[in-house]
Amino acid sequence: GDSVTQMEGPVTLSEEAFLTINCTYTATGYPSLFWYVQYPGEGLQLLLKATKADDKGSNKGFEATYRKETTSFHLEKGSVQVSDSAVYFCALSPPPWEGSNYKLTFGKGTLLTVNP
Amino acid sequence: DAMVIQNPRYQVTQFGKPVTLSCSQTLNHNVMYWYQQKSSQAPKLLFHYYDKDFNNEADTPDNFQSRRPNTSFCFLDIRSPGLGDAAMYLCATSATSGLYNEQFFGPGTRLTVL
Repeated sequence: GDSVTQMEGPVTLSEEAFLTINCTYTATGYPSLFWYVQYPGEGLQLLLKATKADDKGSNKGFEATYRKETTSFHLEKGSVQVSDSAVYFCALSPPPWEGSNYKLTFGKGTLLTVNP
Repeated sequence: DAMVIQNPRYQVTQFGKPVTLSCSQTLNHNVMYWYQQKSSQAPKLLFHYYDKDFNNEADTPDNFQSRRPNTSFCFLDIRSPGLGDAAMYLCATSATSGLYNEQFFGPGTRLTVL
């Protein structure tokens, strides 16, 4: 079945440091890939997405590129802020023609703490 | 703004006392989901409604049930809450008319079982 493996946390960085959170996946075909962010005590918010190979998703300074050859979707940000402290989830969804498009498979999440 | 609303945000119940959590949406999405999220874990899908069709996950305990009276509302009923059911419960929606499954999440209801 489909699976997502994320870098184990927690990750602690100083403000303005470079961030990478690794994500690799196992799936058949061409899934859509997502990064969700969860701030303390809140629900999940979609941070960015990519729906086909070589697509780059970007939002709020975060980027991730869909790499089919390495089955990866690593999250990066050039300069993190204290307000980026949250849990980050990598997720995938099968393509519509596979008939189970409605389900998300999540990684275990990575807690990021950014110190001033 | 179109959104997913969950009430209450915090719910305290007693061991074995039935409790209902509610979710409403203004997105007019045809799919609604309920997830359970325990501390430091990923959300775990309990079940979802595809329009009116209910789809239970194989490992969801019988103690958990759901109702969807119309497109906008969905309820999670926990018939006899145990201490292990204390968690954050997340409602989400999506539209199958899209090319990919972007799910929109509510803020969650944190359930405490005493």
